[in-house]
Amino acid sequence: DAGITQSPRHKVTETGTPVTLRCHQTENHRYMYWYRQDPGHGLRLIHYSYGVKDTDKGEVSDGYSVSRSKTEDFLLTLESATSSQTSVYFCAIRGDSEMRQFFGPGTRLTVL
Amino acid sequence: DAKTTQPTSMDCAEGRAANLPCNHSTISGNEYVYWYRQIHSQGPQYIIHGLKNNETNEMASLIITEDRKSSTLILPHATLRDTAVYYCIVRVAGEDSNYQLIWGAGTKLIIKP
Repeated sequence: DAGITQSPRHKVTETGTPVTLRCHQTENHRYMYWYRQDPGHGLRLIHYSYGVKDTDKGEVSDGYSVSRSKTEDFLLTLESATSSQTSVYFCAIRGDSEMRQFFGPGTRLTVL
Repeated sequence: DAKTTQPTSMDCAEGRAANLPCNHSTISGNEYVYWYRQIHSQGPQYIIHGLKNNETNEMASLIITEDRKSSTLILPHATLRDTAVYYCIVRVAGEDSNYQLIWGAGTKLIIKP
């Protein structure tokens, strides 16, 4: 399995507070992705990165920002969390010549 | 919106072949079909992908129709551990080697003893 971890694994926070989720990889892969998954649905892409300091928006990027200052870490920030951002967040990585994405274990975020 | 259509759920007996259908009638000529599965809220796991030809690996086989408008994932000898949600995904082409996966709701496959 690809070396990919997410932290924290679970978080409960209050509306209006900032939250940062971390994705860490040991594979030196170029591409990293943040998805969210809501009950009964597939994954939706929030942001992705195609290199250090190179990021772009996905289909549900409003309310989220990302940063990638080094290859191994991709941070997802909710500047002011809302209840609609309660979800499970998955990080994924992919190598340059890879056709498949490898997923982390997920972070369950609850915004009260 | 997702570009694929899958049944919401399916059952299969343990030890039998599980055949999961997927419709992707608007697929473009350079778009791949991917299959992932997700076991009980874990991170999704890659199964297989294909463009035109049928593909087989240690996990499954992928049969793509000649017109590419549909495909079938085959798990040859299903076990209880294959119970999961299976996602059929069309890979949207992007610049260079970048691309995005557009996920639907998937098929809940239940393997019964």
